[in-house]
Amino acid sequence: EDQVTQSPEALRLQEGESSSLNCSYTVSGLRGLFWYRQDPGKGPEFLFTLYSAGEEKEKERLKATLTKKESFLHITAPKPEDSATYLCAVRPGSSNTGKLIFGQGTTLQVKP
Amino acid sequence: DAGVIQSPRHEVTEMGQEVTLRCKPISGHNSLFWYRQTMMRGLELLIYFNNNVPIDDSGMPEDRFSAKMPNASFSTLKIQPSEPRDSAVYFCASSPRTGGSYNEQFFGPGTRLTVL
Repeated sequence: EDQVTQSPEALRLQEGESSSLNCSYTVSGLRGLFWYRQDPGKGPEFLFTLYSAGEEKEKERLKATLTKKESFLHITAPKPEDSATYLCAVRPGSSNTGKLIFGQGTTLQVKP
Repeated sequence: DAGVIQSPRHEVTEMGQEVTLRCKPISGHNSLFWYRQTMMRGLELLIYFNNNVPIDDSGMPEDRFSAKMPNASFSTLKIQPSEPRDSAVYFCASSPRTGGSYNEQFFGPGTRLTVL
């Protein structure tokens, strides 16, 4: 069964304290791993797509990496405005499906 | 450019009533997705359309749920009759599909549904 597990569930950081969020996946083939940011009361906002092991993408203080079994979202010197829930999703490769399977998310709080 | 538009943003109704949620995808996107988000189950795909045609409705929980996409710029998700366990945030997302491949999905602001 295709599955996505994110850890930790919640993370509290001081401003400037770098850390990483983990997304482990079990899927029959992989046609893409997606990271989204979700602020309270809003829809998920697209951040990155990764397609193959070894691939990396960066945007401001965020960097996403991918291996054959997991992805990391590294946050360097976070600011309070980085506080949000970060969602990971995979697109299974068993067929040409548009379906995304989401993890439960990691809620990040960055304190000034 | 306008993103995905959903209405209403909030809906409070009583058990047994019909509820209709509406979505306008991003212009030019040819795939549309309906999701439901709850604390217990997270974000779950209910149904998706390609070029207005339903492709996968395996996530629709019961026959009480139905979705239509009469044209490229409008879709509805209907619940009839509604039940308290349907209370959740419902998101619509759209995506461009190029060369037969799916791309990233862009989400609307959601409709928060409360069934009393």
